[in-house]
Amino acid sequence: GAGVSQSPSNKVTEKGKDVELRCDPISGHTALYWYRQRLGQGLEFLIYFQGNSAPDKSGLPSDRFSAERTGESVSTLTIQRTQQEDSAVYLCASSLVGASGEQYFGPGTRLTVT
Amino acid sequence: KQEVTQIPAALSVPEGENLVLNCSFTDSAIYNLQWFRQDPGKGLTSLLLIQSSQREQTSGRLNASLDKSSGRSTLYIAASQPGDSATYLCAVSRSSNTGKLIFGQGTTLQVKP
Repeated sequence: GAGVSQSPSNKVTEKGKDVELRCDPISGHTALYWYRQRLGQGLEFLIYFQGNSAPDKSGLPSDRFSAERTGESVSTLTIQRTQQEDSAVYLCASSLVGASGEQYFGPGTRLTVT
Repeated sequence: KQEVTQIPAALSVPEGENLVLNCSFTDSAIYNLQWFRQDPGKGLTSLLLIQSSQREQTSGRLNASLDKSSGRSTLYIAASQPGDSATYLCAVSRSSNTGKLIFGQGTTLQVKP
């Protein structure tokens, strides 16, 4: 079946602009996660959704970052007033059975802030 | 604070060798541990998931073990092939309340033909 998909695959934006990144999880997966990977660094957790609620937002780096999820479907990560340090690959993952499940990752969105 | 370390950072082996990748974590109170591979410019592919109550998992030429009390996991790759060349990441989950994974920095493997 279809895996996790993300759009756009690449996004170049000017400093100060807002961006929206989209994630479509695997159908039927109740849990959804956002991570980011900055160049030369490891993956950092951003936020965890169970259904459309977010029990763990502890990884969001500032109030410029927000995310929402519609039911057990699409999620959008929004970054307002982008800064150069926001440049990274943003990865989305989903799992079938919530926090204990195996996570399946999408291909990521590469964000470049100029 | 949970920290995950992977050794070595890079490894180059000739095709056909058996090899072991190491992962250690500082807090033994984990819920599960997952091994991934990442190919350049691509997302992560899940290889194996080990629940905290398990000692090992096997998939084809891959075998992952978990020793929670000592804070260690190993990924064993048998009869390595050039197609195994990738970065291998280890990640641990702390709690059943959140699926937050804490990742190591990875081991970059090159298998030479």
